[in-house]
Amino acid sequence: DAGVTQSPTHLIKTRGQQVTLRCSPKSGHDTVSWYQQALGQGPQFIFQYYEEEERQRGNFPDRFSGHQFPNYSSELNVNALLLGDSALYLCASSSDRENTEAFFGQGTRLTVV
Amino acid sequence: AQKVTQAQTEISVVEKEDVTLDCVYETRDTTYYLFWYKQPPSGELVFLIRRNSFDEQNEISGRYSWNFQKSTSSFNFTITASQVVDSAVYFCALSGNWDQGGKLIFGQGTELSVKP
Repeated sequence: DAGVTQSPTHLIKTRGQQVTLRCSPKSGHDTVSWYQQALGQGPQFIFQYYEEEERQRGNFPDRFSGHQFPNYSSELNVNALLLGDSALYLCASSSDRENTEAFFGQGTRLTVV
Repeated sequence: AQKVTQAQTEISVVEKEDVTLDCVYETRDTTYYLFWYKQPPSGELVFLIRRNSFDEQNEISGRYSWNFQKSTSSFNFTITASQVVDSAVYFCALSGNWDQGGKLIFGQGTELSVKP
């Protein structure tokens, strides 16, 4: 049983560009959350998707947007990249129905130059 | 507002020593969950434990134990007889009512270094 998978693992983008990160949840999970983890910090909640809708959102600007597909996979899009967007982006999946804890992927390391 | 504080930024111990990682939390919710996650250098957060606010029983799992005290809003984690493989960053996290989607509030993390 594959766990949470994220792609790509590493990415380098130029300031002002746009980026899309992808996440496939653990089998049986229907909820996907995205977190940003800056170097030396704890993860910060960006938003959560359930039933293809954004259910909850953290304190992040509208440049951060997402999508959830019918197969529960998800994308995180960031527009107009800033140097400060450089971070590890973590995807977590869980089951709303079964009230499970969140399982995390290995993350995507985004570097903005 | 919800907040998690891990006052210890870095801890260094010698193998076989016991070590306790501190976690203090703030919340106005009556029902909440507390978690510990381990983050090795690979980056993936590994789930260790989840406790709900109504269950203050301490828990032991092998060399790991957790002490939950609502009176002091603390959820401390002890590793007994530490091993080099325990070296990682450990995060304490808090989540409110599950109906709210289980958004996790993380502390800053404690980097544990276990030397042989």
